[in-house]
Amino acid sequence: AQSVTQLDSQVPVFEEAPVELRCNYSSSVSVYLFWYVQYPNQGLQLLLKYLSGSTLVKGINGFEAEFNKSQTSFHLRKPSVHISDTAEYFCAVLYNFNKFYFGSGTKLNVKP
Amino acid sequence: DTEVTQTPKHLVMGMTNKKSLKCEQHMGHRAMYWYKQKAKKPPELMFVYSYEKLSINESVPSRFSPECPNSSLLNLHLHALQPEDSALYLCASSQVLQGNGYTFGSGTRLTVV
Repeated sequence: AQSVTQLDSQVPVFEEAPVELRCNYSSSVSVYLFWYVQYPNQGLQLLLKYLSGSTLVKGINGFEAEFNKSQTSFHLRKPSVHISDTAEYFCAVLYNFNKFYFGSGTKLNVKP
Repeated sequence: DTEVTQTPKHLVMGMTNKKSLKCEQHMGHRAMYWYKQKAKKPPELMFVYSYEKLSINESVPSRFSPECPNSSLLNLHLHALQPEDSALYLCASSQVLQGNGYTFGSGTRLTVV
């Protein structure tokens, strides 16, 4: 069965430190990969997406992610986080242009 | 215009009330979605409309009734809800069905009392 796994439910990190949020997906013929951010009491905002081409994708707010087909991963990274990055982050995958799945989410808690 | 607008932002309703949630987009997207999100959980798909026709109904109870009057509008009619239906209801749209990225609205926070 197809799925999206975000192993870390919470990631605490100090301000200005680097962070990596992990996402793994089920192997499939075709995948489109996304990261969304959700601030408290708000909807989801698209951070970045991988459809094809370069495996390193740059998004908004200084985030980037790397598509690794052999490891079926799409980890999200930021070299230096800010307090304002505190939010819930969801990885999502579109499998074979057919079904869209969300991961369970990772709460990023940036401490001063 | 690159937004999905949802109204109202907050709604409190009794179990015998009838209310509607509204969603609007002017990006020319032809697929629109309703999601339900409980606290600390990912969004769960409820309904999908493609070219104004209901494409997917994820076994949602009949007390939730979607409507797509035109390509820009999506409604969710609510009737006889239960307290466990309290959640954040999110609308999203994409260029085509299951297109390469959804645009989400900011949601309606629904409380059923």
